[in-house]
Amino acid sequence: DTGVSQNPRHKITKRGQNVTFRCDPISEHNRLYWYRQTLGQGPEFLTYFQNEAQLEKSRLLSDRFSAERPKGSFSTLEIQRTEQGDSAMYLCASSSGDTQYFGPGTRLTVL
Amino acid sequence: GQQVMQIPQYQHVQEGEDFTTYCNSSTTLSNIQWYKQRPGGHPVFLIQLVKSGEVKKQKRLTFQFGEAKKNSSLHITATQTTDVGTYFCAGPYSGAGSYQLTFGKGTKLSVIP
Repeated sequence: DTGVSQNPRHKITKRGQNVTFRCDPISEHNRLYWYRQTLGQGPEFLTYFQNEAQLEKSRLLSDRFSAERPKGSFSTLEIQRTEQGDSAMYLCASSSGDTQYFGPGTRLTVL
Repeated sequence: GQQVMQIPQYQHVQEGEDFTTYCNSSTTLSNIQWYKQRPGGHPVFLIQLVKSGEVKKQKRLTFQFGEAKKNSSLHITATQTTDVGTYFCAGPYSGAGSYQLTFGKGTKLSVIP
């Protein structure tokens, strides 16, 4: 069990650019989640996959955000036309039951 | 929408003192989970409580789930510097078949040696 991995760990971009993050879940986990965390807050749910199907999406999620999990293994989260308000830690988690195991996160800074 | 509130937001204790954080949900929860996040780290699962009135212990940590399944607490006995971090409670969204978790804002614990 190598745990959940995320790449890159840090990303600095200019406003208006597109960014893509990758998450590799624990191999036997069929569920994958994306969360966003800002300073002083708890993780905020963005979206959830069961295998390759995206089953839930937060109403807070702008249409600039899109996520995929094409083969039910790794997932990507893309943010188009980034804004300064998108600066946050983007966390991925995976599970096979109720317990969610988090990756180290990708810290995004939008200048 | 569903809200999960935690108090206090911050707690500073002397090493060896006890610490308690409280979690309240606006809706009844099917279960509640607790996570710990060290400074600069990511949330790490501690425990899940499912039954009304359930109490679970992990060494110096005691977790309780309220009778109405709307509140929970985490108590640490004789804190150590290794307990430093932010403790989050989280409950599943009340929508049917949902697996998304709603997290509280967390309680940040500082331990003074």
